[in-house]
Amino acid sequence: GAGVSQSPSNKVTEKGKDVELRCDPISGHTALYWYRQSLGQGLEFLIYFQGNSAPDKSGLPSDRFSAERTGGSVSTLTIQRTQQEDSAVYLCASSERGTSEKLFFGSGTQLSVL
Amino acid sequence: AQSVAQPEDQVNVAEGNPLTVKCTYSVSGNPYLFWYVQYPNRGLQFLLKYITGDNLVKGSYGFEAEFNKSQTSFHLKKPSALVSDSALYFCAVRDRITGANNLFFGTGTRLTVIP
Repeated sequence: GAGVSQSPSNKVTEKGKDVELRCDPISGHTALYWYRQSLGQGLEFLIYFQGNSAPDKSGLPSDRFSAERTGGSVSTLTIQRTQQEDSAVYLCASSERGTSEKLFFGSGTQLSVL
Repeated sequence: AQSVAQPEDQVNVAEGNPLTVKCTYSVSGNPYLFWYVQYPNRGLQFLLKYITGDNLVKGSYGFEAEFNKSQTSFHLKKPSALVSDSALYFCAVRDRITGANNLFFGTGTRLTVIP
């Protein structure tokens, strides 16, 4: 596709439910990032995928959070037993290989946990 | 450890005046430095980056930024502000030595250009 695509754009869920957020990166981009943007705060790094290497999970805030990337393309971020503090905008970004490369961001998923 | 500070949550400037959005960083090695912009109801967009070479970097929409190693700063500037420049601006840093996967972002500065 032309850009990074995220779905759904909005998700409202009840506390304790599980949610899945999807990211479809730009074709050919080997690096994929998940960030979380909370109101009034910066972007919080969650997880990083690069090709077939083991993902960098150092930013995941708890074991309720997990992510996978199938076939080096589409990624799914799963939050189990959601809590109200999980409410935020979840951003996905992709880039070409290399740490000097710029990131291309999706429009994000606004998650609201009631 | 790497970190980024954007000391101003909000910057107001009159249309046509020069603007500066401040950023200072801390890394253990040498940095890759970036500016991103988030327009209302739109995703984050890349503005410019410093990798190596000339300390003055020019980017999209007439923006530029100057890498100052001694002051560990990477301030964003534009000679003449437009109302359409009103947005949320993020500075980001990555340590090129450690090759850290995390592109570390500041908390953002909201720029408002007043007509």
